[in-house]
Amino acid sequence: AQTVTQSQPEMSVQEAETVTLSCTYDTSESDYYLFWYKQPPSRQMILVIRQEAYKQQNATENRFSVNFQKAAKSFSLKISDSQLGDAAMYFCAYRSANQGGSEKLVFGKGMKLTVNP
Amino acid sequence: GAVVSQHPSWVICKSGTSVKIECRSLDFQATTMFWYRQFPKQSLMLMATSNEGSKATYEQGVEKDKFLINHASLTLSTLTVTSAHPEDSSFYICSATSGYYNEQFFGPGTRLTVL
Repeated sequence: AQTVTQSQPEMSVQEAETVTLSCTYDTSESDYYLFWYKQPPSRQMILVIRQEAYKQQNATENRFSVNFQKAAKSFSLKISDSQLGDAAMYFCAYRSANQGGSEKLVFGKGMKLTVNP
Repeated sequence: GAVVSQHPSWVICKSGTSVKIECRSLDFQATTMFWYRQFPKQSLMLMATSNEGSKATYEQGVEKDKFLINHASLTLSTLTVTSAHPEDSSFYICSATSGYYNEQFFGPGTRLTVL
């Protein structure tokens, strides 16, 4: 079974600074997807960024980028120019690519990010 | 992205009663829907996966007679918590997807409080 580990339960960052959230995973599969989700106080889950394992290039979405190290099974999220609105719980998630979108997500325990003004 | 709604957003009920939570995909046909439970300051725990027109597949440890899931159409899935007790109080989240997408779209969640 696949597992996702987020070892840092909490982090804080100053507004406008950069922060990196770590995530490691364990799988024997070669084809899969990795996700970072954000859950603000409203508790609505929001997709931040997605990485396909077959792609060597790291995904980037505006201020959010990932460092995907397939051999090390590491998938960290970098948030640049942190904003107050980035404060939230962040979840790393894994999904097998075997059955397309109907495959279930495996979530890490989450990490609470605080952004200080 | 696609939009998923949940109703109600919060519900309070008495112990022993049943509560139904609806999950709707508003602008796409969801062939698969997922139901999660989330306790405060914890991660999402998958309860079950439902495919339209089929019986739901429950995760280990989830009581299928307690948490009834119906996915009768491509836009609606329901979760019924039967004979609810205070320990069933939690935040319930649904998500939906289809073969067209490579991601799940999440509803806003339902807060259930059982007195």
